[in-house]
Amino acid sequence: QSALTQPRSVSGSPGQSVTISCTGTSSDVGGYDYVSWYQQHPGKAPKLMIYDVSKRPSGVPDRFSGSKSGNTASLTISGLQAEDEADYYCCSYAGRYTFVVFGGGTKLTVL
Amino acid sequence: EVQLVQSGAEVKKPGESLRISCKGSGYSFTTYWIGWVRQMPGKGLEWMGIIYPADSDTRYSPSFQGQVTMSADKSSSTAYLQWSSLKASDTAMYFCARRYCTSTSCYLGSYDSWGQGTLVTVSS
Repeated sequence: QSALTQPRSVSGSPGQSVTISCTGTSSDVGGYDYVSWYQQHPGKAPKLMIYDVSKRPSGVPDRFSGSKSGNTASLTISGLQAEDEADYYCCSYAGRYTFVVFGGGTKLTVL
Repeated sequence: EVQLVQSGAEVKKPGESLRISCKGSGYSFTTYWIGWVRQMPGKGLEWMGIIYPADSDTRYSPSFQGQVTMSADKSSSTAYLQWSSLKASDTAMYFCARRYCTSTSCYLGSYDSWGQGTLVTVSS
């Protein structure tokens, strides 16, 4: 069982928006503004999409956005495109003893 | 161009030892933390720990403390992950990744450059 809880799967049609949730506790997601999101295509290494809850690294389209409320973080992808179909993982700093935890991952299907 | 290049796939027997590597190039290797992430077959990502190559300061996830050893060689810009006695349950893909930093700050839990992964298979 992963430390952070994500839905197993979400889906949407091209052009639509989808939101993936990531629920933790006050010891991780709720306690720090250090949530990141990764995209992983099959057989590939993960790619950083969002850091510090809502910031995008250079090169990541602004269709990807992040937010947080309490112990739940969210990744929203607007204007879905076929290439967005992938697994998405949230990640949070969890303090000086646990350090970093991942969510179980969410499979995004673009219909 | 920043690159992390990992060593090739390994097939080992239970009880054997193993060290896999992650060679950095295109940046100052000693000044960026390197993390290791496990992905078991068909499963999600698990954070194993992180090492700072400049002084080999290391932090392990409680789940992996005592199970693996992380090290780094500044002279060759290479980070290592090693096992002294492999188990079948160590079968997984292992990724190294560089902690994300900009000119002003470094970001906890964020990794911007990843190796291609090393597949470790442990089977009798």
